[in-house]
Amino acid sequence: NAGVTQTPKFRILKIGQSMTLQCTQDMNHNYMYWYRQDPGMGLKLIYYSVGAGITDKGEVPNGYNVSRSTTEDFPLRLELAAPSQTSVYFCASSPPGTFEAFFGQGTRLTVV
Amino acid sequence: QKEVEQNSGPLSVPEGAIASLNCTYSDRGSQSFFWYRQYSGKSPELIMFIYSNGDKEDGRFTAQLNKASQYVSLLIRDSQPSDSATYLCAVNQAGTALIFGKGTTLSVSS
Repeated sequence: NAGVTQTPKFRILKIGQSMTLQCTQDMNHNYMYWYRQDPGMGLKLIYYSVGAGITDKGEVPNGYNVSRSTTEDFPLRLELAAPSQTSVYFCASSPPGTFEAFFGQGTRLTVV
Repeated sequence: QKEVEQNSGPLSVPEGAIASLNCTYSDRGSQSFFWYRQYSGKSPELIMFIYSNGDKEDGRFTAQLNKASQYVSLLIRDSQPSDSATYLCAVNQAGTALIFGKGTTLSVSS
């Protein structure tokens, strides 16, 4: 089982560029999440989805967009990259009922 | 604003000792409680979850939940150097996402 797969693992963006962080899970989980983690800090929720076609904002949604067209995929879009978006991004998924989150390996993004 | 609070540490214990990690949460509607371990440069991995008041044991780990006090703790018995990591507390209210604390860094010295 692949679990939760994120691509890319590393990326350097210039200010103002756009990119999409990909996230795919093969566990048929309803819930999917995007978090960011700054150095020495915990995980801050950006967006989450409780199922295909349904998304909702988390604590820090500004500058990001998401979509959930299928159960498996939950891409995160950065439209105009800013240095404040330099962070490690984690995608996670969980089944309903238990809500145990399983994490991808993360994407380390640097905006210069 | 739902909040999860943890002492950032570092918490330093000698090998073989008991490490006690604490977490408080603000949302009384929280229903599920989780402890994750995160090694430097790695993604979080689930250690334990607890839903009901009381203790839950799994090997060297014990999670304790007190909903009246809005308090969750994790005890690690016979601490090993390999337990050195950041421990993240997370809480969930049904139908929403997991909210994480900032984590407590544990250092176990041999």
